[in-house]
Amino acid sequence: DGGITQSPKYLFRKEGQNVTLSCEQNLNHDAMYWYRQDPGQGLRLIYYSQIVNDFQKGDIAEGYSVSREKKESFPLTVTSAQKNPTAFYLCASWDTNTGELFFGEGSRLTVL
Amino acid sequence: GESVGLHLPTLSVQEGDNSIINCAYSNSASDYFIWYKQESGKGPQFIIDIRSNMDKRQGQRVTVLLNKTVKHLSLQIAATQPGDSAVYFCAERVSGGYNKLIFGAGTRLAVHP
Repeated sequence: DGGITQSPKYLFRKEGQNVTLSCEQNLNHDAMYWYRQDPGQGLRLIYYSQIVNDFQKGDIAEGYSVSREKKESFPLTVTSAQKNPTAFYLCASWDTNTGELFFGEGSRLTVL
Repeated sequence: GESVGLHLPTLSVQEGDNSIINCAYSNSASDYFIWYKQESGKGPQFIIDIRSNMDKRQGQRVTVLLNKTVKHLSLQIAATQPGDSAVYFCAERVSGGYNKLIFGAGTRLAVHP
């Protein structure tokens, strides 16, 4: 089935460690996005990529990094510079034909 | 995830009743609006969308109304079912640029039998 796969679903990290969240899509979408979701708040954009080998900072990019070496893959690294990394992270891709944004099932990161 | 719904406004309805969830959007230049449903521990799912040149759009059991004068969006769910229990949030797309969406915080819908 076509869709977006995020892994891992749950991740625990010690302070000071970097961690990478995986996002893979087989929808053949050019544009991909990473959002952060905190309790009681709307989704906030971390990074986005409109095409392979290109990506742009979103509204809250500090402490995060991404790469887009393949169309299918858009991994997010949460670095030790991110002051409050505990959150639910959502990856999405955009269908330019329908205008629909497809989301993965999310990854919950907890910093111990 | 499980804690997404904390601190959100909650709408409690009886099974079979109609539900109306409201959303105020922020940007007069927004040209496209979407409603999403998010169940606990899962990613958001597309429900219905509407473009700014429309006032109303209907889907299966759902209707979205757009009032551009007051920048208000509503989602109506007919004959609400227990499976409709989730957090619902709206998103607006600001025209131009890279398809940037601005998301609302959401409303928790609790359906009681």
